[in-house]
Order: sequence, then structure tokens, then C-alpha cells
Amino acid sequence: EVQLVESGGGLVKPGGSLRLSCAASGFTFSNFNMNWVRKAPGKGLEWVSSISSSGGYIYYTGSVKGRFTISRDNTKNSLYLQMNSLRAEDTAVYYCARDLFFGYGDSYPHGYWGQGTLVTVSS
Amino acid sequence: DIVMTQSPDSLGVSLGERATINCKSSQSVLYSSNNKNYLAWYQQKPGQPPKLLLYWASSRESGVPDRFSGSGSGTDFTLTISSLQAEDVAVYYCQQYFTPPLTFGPGTTVDIK
Repeated sequence: EVQLVESGGGLVKPGGSLRLSCAASGFTFSNFNMNWVRKAPGKGLEWVSSISSSGGYIYYTGSVKGRFTISRDNTKNSLYLQMNSLRAEDTAVYYCARDLFFGYGDSYPHGYWGQGTLVTVSS
Repeated sequence: DIVMTQSPDSLGVSLGERATINCKSSQSVLYSSNNKNYLAWYQQKPGQPPKLLLYWASSRESGVPDRFSGSGSGTDFTLTISSLQAEDVAVYYCQQYFTPPLTFGPGTTVDIK
């Protein structure tokens, strides 16, 4: 059974940093592209970042470029999101999501999701 | 960036009746090389993570009831719930995965009339 468990959320002051982790199990982690998606209170879903199976291709949404860094450790079956220079508008539940399928050179929807971890940016 | 829009913002439907949600992309998400539309639909209930319902615009994810169907191509897409059940009350999002940044529509809230 595919399992994705996020951790690392919490309360942080504006300008602060936080590192989110996602522990994956139940599948061959190194085969799949992974993603972070967030949902702010009262707002819709927002894709944040994606990383390819090998880590060689990385993408970000514009509002987090230069502040957030996605990474993965395929030996530990783990996905990470380093968040720096946090702003109030980064307050959200952050979800780790796995692509539905694996395959090089193509793009797939998010087929499996974790339960999310809450990040609150407030003074 | 590809901008996704959805209509309506919210929808009240009687139990057993049809619900229809529209999604429009600012540019085509149809890849001509494989004739696939890179468009997905998700359902999210309060306190739960999103759930993938449909991908390639019309392919139903495993375990999703067949009352959920998708149609459309290019820039215009539709999610149809043929006979609304109480458990379908949720927010529904479309998403393009054609090119980064992957973008979601703003969501459509479906509830019981």
C-alpha cells in the first residue's frame, strides 16, 4: 500500500525557515516523480514544486522560486522541502504527492497524497 | 503560465440529479504527439487530502464510481456527476499537467440543494 507521511510543519515567524519531510513507503520511491502541493486556509489547491525520479529535473511555482528548495534522498525513500524567507502567504497545509505512473519524459497527475502538514507563518 | 478557470464557483444539486462542472485552460493542454489531454480532476472533502478522480481528461482512476465522467479536449473540459450522492459533497478542482508550473483551477463547491 502506498503511504506518504509528511512531517516538519509548525509555527514560524515571517522570514524564518522550515524543512518539511515526506516519508514514502509501499512503492519503489526512486522510480517516481514527486510533488509538493499546498492549500491555504479558505483558498484552493496550489502546486508548489516537482522533482523527477532521479532529482535531475526540478520545477517551482513562481511565488516560491529562490526561497524554497525541493530535494529527495532515494536511499532513504524521502522527499524534502526546504522553505526559507517564509511569508504569511505561505501559511497552508502542505501535501506530498506522488505521480500516478512512472515513466521518463512524460508528465502525470498526482495519484497518491499524504495527509498533509500545517505550516503557519505568523509573528 | 497556463491559467485554469472553472465554472460555476458553486453548485447546489438535488440528490440523484446531474452535476456539471466546466474547466477552461488559457492554452491547449492537448499534446499532438500522443493525442492526450493533460487534464486531471480532483475531489477534496474537508479535512482530507485531494483525491484523483480522472486523468487524461476522461480516464477514471481505479475505484472511482462510474457516475463520475470527464469530457472535452484542447482548452475546454467538463466533469459530470451523473447522479449526485450525499458523499459527493466536496470541492472539485481541475489541473493541467501539460507543462510546469502545473496549475489548478480555483475549485467548484458542490453541495446538496
